[in-house]
This record gives sequence, structure tokens and C-alpha cells, in this order.
Amino acid sequence: NAGVTQTPKFRVLKTGQSMTLLCAQDMNHEYMYWYRQDPGMGLRLIHYSVGEGTTAKGEVPDGYNVSRLKKQNFLLGLESAAPSQTSVYFCASSYFREDTQYFGPGTRLTVL
Amino acid sequence: TQLLEQSPQFLSIQEGENLTVYCNSSSVFSSLQWYRQEPGEGPVLLVTVVTGGEVKKLKRLTFQFGDARKDSSLHITAAQTGDTGLYLCAGARISSGSARQLTFGSGTQLTVLP
Repeated sequence: NAGVTQTPKFRVLKTGQSMTLLCAQDMNHEYMYWYRQDPGMGLRLIHYSVGEGTTAKGEVPDGYNVSRLKKQNFLLGLESAAPSQTSVYFCASSYFREDTQYFGPGTRLTVL
Repeated sequence: TQLLEQSPQFLSIQEGENLTVYCNSSSVFSSLQWYRQEPGEGPVLLVTVVTGGEVKKLKRLTFQFGDARKDSSLHITAAQTGDTGLYLCAGARISSGSARQLTFGSGTQLTVLP
């Protein structure tokens, strides 16, 4: 099993450009999450999903959109990137009603 | 304002020394988790504590959940260079949508010198 994978690993954008980050998990998990990690801030939840076709806002959702068309995939979109969105983005997944979250290796995004 | 405060933020010690990392909050959590994160990787779960006052041991690591379920500590005995990493605590709460959301602390960067 690959666990949780994220694509791409690195990306540099110019202000105003758009992009989509892909997260895939092969553990048949119901719940999936997108976090951003910034120095001194820990991980902050952007959006999450409790199942295929569902999404919900987390702590810092502004400027991001998500979709969960297939159970194994969770996409994070930036419609118009801003320098404040420079961060490391982590995807995670977990079983229904369990707390243990399994994290992907992260995507390092720089917005110039 | 961080809901979960971790201290210290940075810790550098010699191999063989003992250390304690703290995770404090004014909020009550249904459970609290500790993760370790290596450079360039995602966090990996070390332990989950659920009951107030609970103590769990994982080899040289001892985790304690406060009686009021608002704080936790991680104690490492005889630290080794392999313990180097970013240690994150995360408190779990039930959101209005019945999803378990984790609130992460800012982390403690531990460096164990040979």
C-alpha cells in the first residue's frame, strides 16, 4: 500500500495563477483533510471531507476550494494564488469516527 | 492565538539527557495525540491519550494527559540522536458536523546532539 500520496511535491506560482493539488489514499478511508503548515503555526485545517461527494470548511478556508468526486481522491484548488498562500500543504486521511490521521509527504508551494 | 500552546518551541540537548515537552490549553479535548515529524515528511502518530490522568509509555517516551483533559506532556528518557524531530501535539474535538477535527500545537523542534 502506498498510503497517502500527494502531487506535486514542489511548485512555484506567480501571484494570480491557479493550480490544483492532488491527494490520493489507498486505505479506503472515509475522512480526508487538507492542512497548511507555516513556521511557528503548527498545522491548520483548510477543508475536510467526511465522505465521497462531501466537503466542509476548516479553520482557514478562504482562497481555497476542494472537491471529493471519488472516495480515494481529495483535490485542493487555489483559484488566484497570493503570496500569503506560500506554505507546505499536507493531506491526511482517517477511518470514520477514528482520530488517527495518516499524512502524506507534503507539497511545498511558493507564490511569488 | 494558538488554542494549543507548546513549550519549549526549540530544545537542543546532548545524547543521554532527559527532557519534557509541554502542551497546554484552556479548552477541553476528547483526546490528545502526539506526532513526530521528520524534515520533508508528514507527521506520524506516536500515541493517543483519551482518559484524564492517563499515562502511556512507548519505550523511552512517556505521555501523560492532564486530569482535566486540557494539557499533556511528553517525557523522553536518555534521548538518542534518532529522537531528533518536530514534536506536535493535537487535540481532538467533535465539530458540529460530527467530524473529529484536530487542533495542532505549534510544535517543539528537538535536536539531540551526539
